[in-house]
Amino acid sequence: GENVEQHPSTLSVQEGDSAVIKCTYSDSASNYFPWYKQELGKGPQLIIDIRSNVGEKKDQRIAVTLNKTAKHFSLHITETQPEDSAVYFCAASPGSNTDKLIFGTGTRLQVFP
Amino acid sequence: EAGVAQSPRYKIIEKRQSVAFWCNPISGHATLYWYQQILGQGPKLLIQFQNNGVVDDSQLPKDRFSAERLKGVDSTLKIQPAKLEDSAVYLCASSLQGAQETQYFGPGTRLLVL
Repeated sequence: GENVEQHPSTLSVQEGDSAVIKCTYSDSASNYFPWYKQELGKGPQLIIDIRSNVGEKKDQRIAVTLNKTAKHFSLHITETQPEDSAVYFCAASPGSNTDKLIFGTGTRLQVFP
Repeated sequence: EAGVAQSPRYKIIEKRQSVAFWCNPISGHATLYWYQQILGQGPKLLIQFQNNGVVDDSQLPKDRFSAERLKGVDSTLKIQPAKLEDSAVYLCASSLQGAQETQYFGPGTRLLVL
């Protein structure tokens, strides 16, 4: 079945710097890749997603890139702010016989003022 | 628009006891999910409903876990009997139609099994 690996597990940056989180997936049939942000005591919230027919997608300070050949995708956050501090999860949808999401292990991002 | 509601928010039980969690999804959402999130890990899908039918329960430990979705709306997840390793946050999510639509998560129920 699908396996999603996420790196790094923790990331500390200075306010205003950029942050990059990387994920790899194993199932070449996967075709949907969302990113979720989880704040303490809350459920995950979708921040951006990308489908396999697109190589890059941007939404203000957040962008996601997808390399289907290498089977990896990345989240880029520019001009980080303290409120970006949270745990970020990537996920992949195998797209074969079910359309469930397989989540990565998460990256704890800390943005220091 | 109201979000996904879950109750209780916290539960502490002893091993071998039973426990039940309740979820009310966003109105009109056909797909409902129960995830288990162990500390330091990503959510793991336990069961996925499409309306009131089960789409995927391959990761549900069926000897102790059960779930139902009443009339295609609210859902309950039960554990009986609980084990220490069941300590986790149980997240409910819903989406309009399928996992490749935005999933909206509830706040979760934090379960501690002693």
